[in-house]
Amino acid sequence: QVQLQESGPGLVKPSQTLSLTCAVSGASISSGAYYWSWIRQHPGKGLEWIGYIHYSGNTYYNPSLKSRVAISVDTSKNQFSLKVSSVTAADTAVYYCANSAVVAPDIWGQGTMVTVSS
Amino acid sequence: QSALTQPASVSGSPGQSITISCAGTSSDVGGYDYVSWYQHHPGKVPKLMIYDVSKRPSGVSNRFSGSKSGNTASLTISGLQAEDEADYYCNSYTSSTTLVFGGGTKLTVL
Repeated sequence: QVQLQESGPGLVKPSQTLSLTCAVSGASISSGAYYWSWIRQHPGKGLEWIGYIHYSGNTYYNPSLKSRVAISVDTSKNQFSLKVSSVTAADTAVYYCANSAVVAPDIWGQGTMVTVSS
Repeated sequence: QSALTQPASVSGSPGQSITISCAGTSSDVGGYDYVSWYQHHPGKVPKLMIYDVSKRPSGVSNRFSGSKSGNTASLTISGLQAEDEADYYCNSYTSSTTLVFGGGTKLTVL
């Protein structure tokens, strides 16, 4: 049973870089069978796909965020990470990590709330 | 990429059937059989209900079904139950090798 757990600061200052990690258990992140995604939900709004990565290093990003987002994999720790640079209040959201055995993200983490504020 | 278009809200009475639409383009919904649907109860984790247009993950009730016609996908819930009240999101693969969500639909069980 694949399980995912997000971790990272709950508060980030404007213009700084938001960094989150997703620890994976029950599956190897090096498995070519999966893509590893980040998704967010702004308060009171809908879901927004941020991007995903294959263990091979291939990454795919939401075009609206591409210039500020980076997703990476750490196979030694069986985890993957998200960095969002130059954050503003508009990046305040619940951030979810998820994995995809099919195209659609199917197993999700519990989510972590990140607030951008000085 | 633009979000897929869903109705903001739908409602139905217990036992009835409802359908939620998800309109896209030939570059996403219409171009690939990779449409999925999520159920999201506020404060909980989104749950995959349908993938690849019409496939149900193990454990999902057969009251939930998906279909697609042209650039529009649909989620149908039959035998509506109180526990079905939630937000529903569609998602599609795109020609840019990305994913895109719909704006979400709030389902109210009357």
